[in-house]
Amino acid sequence: NAGVTQTPKFQVLKTGQSMTLQCAQDMNHNSMYWYRQDPGMGLRLIYYSASEGTTDKGEVPNGYNVSRLNKREFSLRLESAAPSQTSVYFCASSERTGGYGYTFGSGTRLTVV
Amino acid sequence: QQPVQSPQAVILREGEDAVINCSSSKALYSVHWYRQKHGEAPVFLMILLKGGEQKGHEKISASFNEKKQQSSLYLTASQLSYSGTYFCGTVLNTGTASKLTFGTGTRLQVTL
Repeated sequence: NAGVTQTPKFQVLKTGQSMTLQCAQDMNHNSMYWYRQDPGMGLRLIYYSASEGTTDKGEVPNGYNVSRLNKREFSLRLESAAPSQTSVYFCASSERTGGYGYTFGSGTRLTVV
Repeated sequence: QQPVQSPQAVILREGEDAVINCSSSKALYSVHWYRQKHGEAPVFLMILLKGGEQKGHEKISASFNEKKQQSSLYLTASQLSYSGTYFCGTVLNTGTASKLTFGTGTRLQVTL
């Protein structure tokens, strides 16, 4: 089925470890996004890529890096994980920014101990 | 910059109606509405572009008052399947690669 695929679904890291969250979409969307969701705070934008070859910071970019590998794939990297990065991470895509609905992946539940 | 949603939570009996409001202090280009069930990803419901349009999706509809920078989501004759958390998201009229900023959500519970 067409959609957004995220891996892994669950991950436990020790403080200071690094990891990359993978995201791929097969809808030929131009724009991709990474959000984190914490209780009571809704979804907060970490980074986004309006089109292949571009990336921009969102509301909470500190401690993260991203790579738009190609039109399909957009990865999120935690270089040195901290307990404050414990969250559920969602990748999303849309045809373009602004006037189009977003399709979300199923999420990655990350715990940093 | 984060839109404000109200109420924070609402409990309905099946068949009752509900209204969820979303407001912004800044001029908006568009308003999105999403529903998220527990443990699942948010699902896109509808988008409203500036111009004061109203949209419908079965028994769920929404309006966008551009002058007041407010949007409302209307759920009529609620069903058990409507339970979940509803998020509005706003896109500012920035003219640049635009970002969707979500509100903190409204938890809706529909009971028998």
